[in-house]
Amino acid sequence: DQQVKQNSPSLSVQEGRISILNCDYTNSMFDYFLWYKKYPAEGPTFLISISSIKDKNEDGRFTVFLNKSAKHLSLHIVPSQPGDSAVYFCAASAIIYNFNKFYFGSGTKLNVKP
Amino acid sequence: GAGVSQSPSNKVTEKGKDVELRCDPISGHTALYWYRQSLGQGLEFLIYFQGNSAPDKSGLPSDRFSAERTGGSVSTLTIQRTQQEDSAVYLCASSYRGVSGNTIYFGEGSWLTVV
Repeated sequence: DQQVKQNSPSLSVQEGRISILNCDYTNSMFDYFLWYKKYPAEGPTFLISISSIKDKNEDGRFTVFLNKSAKHLSLHIVPSQPGDSAVYFCAASAIIYNFNKFYFGSGTKLNVKP
Repeated sequence: GAGVSQSPSNKVTEKGKDVELRCDPISGHTALYWYRQSLGQGLEFLIYFQGNSAPDKSGLPSDRFSAERTGGSVSTLTIQRTQQEDSAVYLCASSYRGVSGNTIYFGEGSWLTVV
């Protein structure tokens, strides 16, 4: 039972345009959400996060939006750059049985075309 | 060190052999996680250590997999009698504390190929 879902396995965007990556979750206990970026042959690197008490967090070109009622979060990248081409994972965390557990989506491969 | 360190970075082993993968978390981080990513798949949780508490082993796929964490720092993931389906990248991550709102940081991974 996948608690965090990224329904788009891939996304292609023109350089300079906006990239929107989506993520849905099912567990209302999740209270912290994160996005990671992964290049081939490297480990995932932390990108941006948001607490469940907020609905938006911005860091430079990256903005994460959280819609708790819809159990949906999205990552906006504006403007997109070719170097942003990577696999993006969303993650959600909650304290479950005293463990801080993280659940990851299956990833969306972003291709930013020059 | 500055980041999560994993070794070996690459390992090719014959089917049936045992392998050990090592993880050195960020200094001061008390929570340590192991994940794996098989080709074309997402991140699969394996095991989680938090301080001196008993680990959460709920993600280990079979009893051929085990992990330990000595002294609250370095962790070793052991795979016994490796099978070809064990081929994957094994990712270790750590966080400052196992509390809500903490970010986990990943190492570069150990790429395991079972032939």
